[in-house]
Amino acid sequence: AQSVTQLGSHVSVSEGALVLLRCNYSSSVPPYLFWYVQYPNQGLQLLLKYTSAATLVKGINGFEAEFKKSETSFHLTKPSAHMSDAAEYFCAVYSGTASKLTFGTGTRLQVTL
Amino acid sequence: NAGVTQTPKFQVLKTGQSMTLQCAQDMNHNSMYWYRQDPGMGLRLIYYSASEGTTDKGEVPNGYNVSRLNKREFSLRLESAAPSQTSVYFCASSERRGVNTEAFFGQGTRLTVV
Repeated sequence: AQSVTQLGSHVSVSEGALVLLRCNYSSSVPPYLFWYVQYPNQGLQLLLKYTSAATLVKGINGFEAEFKKSETSFHLTKPSAHMSDAAEYFCAVYSGTASKLTFGTGTRLQVTL
Repeated sequence: NAGVTQTPKFQVLKTGQSMTLQCAQDMNHNSMYWYRQDPGMGLRLIYYSASEGTTDKGEVPNGYNVSRLNKREFSLRLESAAPSQTSVYFCASSERRGVNTEAFFGQGTRLTVV
């Protein structure tokens, strides 16, 4: 079975500070991994994805994530937070063999002045 | 390219009423999904369809039924709505294509059951 754990339901950072949102996965087969962002009252927008090519993946809005198989992690980072980054972020794992997309419980990012 | 289209966007039902949420995708994806989103619980999978003609239960299937009408369309039916089904519902589709593997979402349906 596959699963995703997001550590920290709420993360608060100052504007300009490093953003680190944690995601650990469990999968019996090599996974595909996604990060999505959801702004208030909107749908989910793809930030970036890992599909077994480069382990360091760059996405939109300056975000990036590194796939670490040894740690079963896919943490999302951004060097300098902006007020517009305030949103909820979801990590998801996709098992191609089961054709099933499973989400974590989400992390709400707050950015303060 | 419309992507994933869900209808309706908003709906209010009385307890016991039935309704069907519609979802269509135009990306030729084999897999389609229905999720519900509740505060603090992330997105929970209700049902999914790995390919046309197949459907499987997810984490929270009770009170719902689905139909994979064809490759494009995947509908979710509430036979007898309950207040516990008040939620935001998202449809998604995905395809395993190696480095081009992708998954996209509709804009959601906000359902209130009174």
